[in-house]
Amino acid sequence: EDKVVQSPLSLVVHEGDTVTLNCSYEVTNFRSLLWYKQEKKAPTFLFMLTSSGIEKKSGRLSSILDKKELFSILNITATQTGDSAIYLCAVESRGTVSNFGNEKLTFGTGTRLTIIP
Amino acid sequence: EPEVTQTPSHQVTQMGQEVILRCVPISNHLYFYWYRQILGQKVEFLVSFYNNEISEKSEIFDDQFSVERPDGSNFTLKIRSTKLEDSAMYFCATAEGAGLATYEQYFGPGTRLTVT
Repeated sequence: EDKVVQSPLSLVVHEGDTVTLNCSYEVTNFRSLLWYKQEKKAPTFLFMLTSSGIEKKSGRLSSILDKKELFSILNITATQTGDSAIYLCAVESRGTVSNFGNEKLTFGTGTRLTIIP
Repeated sequence: EPEVTQTPSHQVTQMGQEVILRCVPISNHLYFYWYRQILGQKVEFLVSFYNNEISEKSEIFDDQFSVERPDGSNFTLKIRSTKLEDSAMYFCATAEGAGLATYEQYFGPGTRLTVT
């Protein structure tokens, strides 16, 4: 069974701090690892990682994947109150029913990040 | 920026009733997915759909569930006879492509289904 584990489950920091969120996984037929931010409802896409060691960056957020050790980290520098959210890690894998279009995402439980002003 | 939309935003139904949840994908997207999130739990994969066929489904997606794209735009999830445990947020997601390359899935705002 595919498994995605995120840590910590919850994190409270002060504005301006830097945080690192962790995601480890065990899946068959790995295709990519994705990070999403979930504030009120829908997960919003942050990053997709497919290759080891290549950092993806968007403003104060960055992420990297290690396919040998099967984990990824999401870094947020100079945190702001608007960064408060649940951060979801999901691994895309290919299913078994058909040969095409059968990708699925397996999600972790998320890390609830709270930024105190 | 194009978005996935879902209707209704909240549906309350009685146990045993049929519900249909609707999703309008981003216009050039060809791959469609349904996920659900029971309150306080993980987002779980239900089904993927491509070329008017189910590509993959999870154990959750039993005979009570069905999906279709009846008019070429809406993508629907039907639950034939709802149970209390079907209460959850249901997310539609769509992707531009799949297969050899990887494409990110974009999520709609969700439909909160409450079964009483």
